[in-house]
Amino acid sequence: DAGVIQSPRHEVTEMGQEVTLRCKPISGHDYLFWYRQTMMRGLELLIYFNNNVPIDDSGMPEDRFSAKMPNASFSTLKIQPSEPRDSAVYFCASSPWQLNGYTFGSGTRLTVV
Amino acid sequence: AQKITQTQPGMFVQEKEAVTLDCTYDTSDPSYGLFWYKQPSSGEMIFLIYQGSYDQQNATEGRYSLNFQKARKSANLVISASQLGDSAMYFCAMREGRSSGGSQGNLIFGKGTKLSVKP
Repeated sequence: DAGVIQSPRHEVTEMGQEVTLRCKPISGHDYLFWYRQTMMRGLELLIYFNNNVPIDDSGMPEDRFSAKMPNASFSTLKIQPSEPRDSAVYFCASSPWQLNGYTFGSGTRLTVV
Repeated sequence: AQKITQTQPGMFVQEKEAVTLDCTYDTSDPSYGLFWYKQPSSGEMIFLIYQGSYDQQNATEGRYSLNFQKARKSANLVISASQLGDSAMYFCAMREGRSSGGSQGNLIFGKGTKLSVKP
């Protein structure tokens, strides 16, 4: 099992540009989560999906953020336009239906300059 | 009110000794799950141990054990025989159930404890 795969590992972009983060969950996991980690706010949920359907997007900061899960093996988190305050580490995680084991990807370190 | 409280921002432990990292939680939901994660300086989030609210016995995984005291709402992580590689940030997290009214699947994290193992 390759685990949760995120790409890219690092992203540096200029303010105003579009950024797309990608995630491949563990096969067979029913849930997929996007988290953001900053020094100030710690780890916070942005959105999560159950069987490809968005369940809770209350953590998405604003309309500049959007997430999709077109199939069970792929999800994207898009920021358009990006701002310096979006700089953070973005984690994708997946879990089986029992919600007793959340596996995190390696994260994407985003820097917006 | 914070859902997950980790009162120790940083801790030191001597190599080969045991250490306890504190975690208290707040929920009115009878069904919930408690998790511990390790985040080394490289940044990845590594799952260590899980305890369900209905589990009768404390969870153990190798050198990790979870001291689950339901009445006190505490879920402390015990690491036995500390190793230099245990130096990292440790996060306690909780997943609530449906009756919480919140997001069932969401993992709520504490602020973490930075553990440093001294040789």
